[in-house]
Amino acid sequence: EADIYQTPRYLVIGTGKKITLECSQTMGHDKMYWYQQDPGMELHLIHYSYGVNSTEKGDLSSESTVSRIRTEHFPLTLESARPSHTSQYLCASSEYRSGAGGYTFGSGTRLTVV
Amino acid sequence: GIQVEQSPPDLILQEGANSTLRCNFSDSVNNLQWFHQNPWGQLINLFYIPSGTKQNGRLSATTVATERYSLLYISSSQTTDSGVYFCAVERSGGGADGLTFGKGTHLIIQP
Repeated sequence: EADIYQTPRYLVIGTGKKITLECSQTMGHDKMYWYQQDPGMELHLIHYSYGVNSTEKGDLSSESTVSRIRTEHFPLTLESARPSHTSQYLCASSEYRSGAGGYTFGSGTRLTVV
Repeated sequence: GIQVEQSPPDLILQEGANSTLRCNFSDSVNNLQWFHQNPWGQLINLFYIPSGTKQNGRLSATTVATERYSLLYISSSQTTDSGVYFCAVERSGGGADGLTFGKGTHLIIQP
């Protein structure tokens, strides 16, 4: 049973549109993350959050933005989608205490910008 | 940042064979996980194993933190084991820096 939920699962959208990818978790985890993955490649961290009102950029530069108004919710927004944004986006969460446990990933959103 | 190297990059086996996947990392870690990514892109957590040995059915994993490597063993492979296996680590002392992933091992199990 998934404890972290992402919607939509698949999205095809035109260039220039604004989109928001949703991520919610029911585990009460403080730390949440967004990763980007091109097909067959490794995952790269693009955003993370320590908790409410905390957001940081990850290792891979991204034109997307995130917000963390509630502990359980960590949406990602693209103001103007471009074909270069076509990728899979995976959300994850973990407990704050270092070494307390592993990361749990959502099922991902596969985004195609045409 | 921390470096994660996985080997082999590709592996093709017959059903029933055993395999060993390796993950080397360049710094001390407080978190190491093995994931299986299925053809639909979902990441399935196999093991949380920053040190020691764990077993779950046909899969087992060992991490030797002092020597900075981890091994994933798959016994009696089945076609459903096909996919990409990722090792990911979190560096010790980091706050919420996130997991760093290796490039993965692409495993194909042939019937």
